[in-house]
Amino acid sequence: EIVLTQSPATLSLSPGERAALSCRASQSISSYLAWYQQKPGQAPRLLIYAASNRATDIPARFSGSGSGTEFTLTITSLEPEDFAIYYCQHRIKWGVPEYTFGQGTTLEIK
Amino acid sequence: DVHLVESGGGLVKPGGSLRLSCAASELTFASAWMSWVRQAPGRGLEWVGHIRSKTDGGSADYAPPVKGRFTISRDDSKKMLYLQMNTLKTEDTAVYYCTTESASFGSDGDYFDHWGQGVLVTVSS
Repeated sequence: EIVLTQSPATLSLSPGERAALSCRASQSISSYLAWYQQKPGQAPRLLIYAASNRATDIPARFSGSGSGTEFTLTITSLEPEDFAIYYCQHRIKWGVPEYTFGQGTTLEIK
Repeated sequence: DVHLVESGGGLVKPGGSLRLSCAASELTFASAWMSWVRQAPGRGLEWVGHIRSKTDGGSADYAPPVKGRFTISRDDSKKMLYLQMNTLKTEDTAVYYCTTESASFGSDGDYFDHWGQGVLVTVSS
């Protein structure tokens, strides 16, 4: 089983600042990593797939990087609507399907 | 825009059954892989299971906690996805989301690109 560990658990920043959220995999997962944003009372929204590809209609201030075991979601110049919970997710592409989510990082206003 | 609408949630006693439905629109449903993802109150996201498109075999896979109790099916003519949940446990209490599944590479889906608004299932005596 692949475990995704997100850090930090909570990140306190101010609008206009840059955010860097980390997701570490327990073993190499190539570039099979997605990032989601979830606001209170809403469904998650896909931000990034294949580690670095922005989903449709996602602003350019969101970017993803990394491969293997270390991944980063970067948000340049935070907007008020960016404060939310962020999850990373992976699916093993061989054997029995297994989809794993990280435990989430809460991005809160400082 | 793709639109997914879940229904069928509610309160059920432990050991009971419930069937969730998901209506899809603005989607080439027959060629879509579809998943269910759940979120227990105040907790993170958990994949429940998925069903492949019929052209990719039409079979379903399930996460270990629900395997043998939950069944996913689809009606492509109606653009509907279903989740039959039997022998429900208190730990199945969650918001259940219907999602589409797409592939970064190849044909096997690996991320969830469209989500419904979710439906709450509460298992309690």
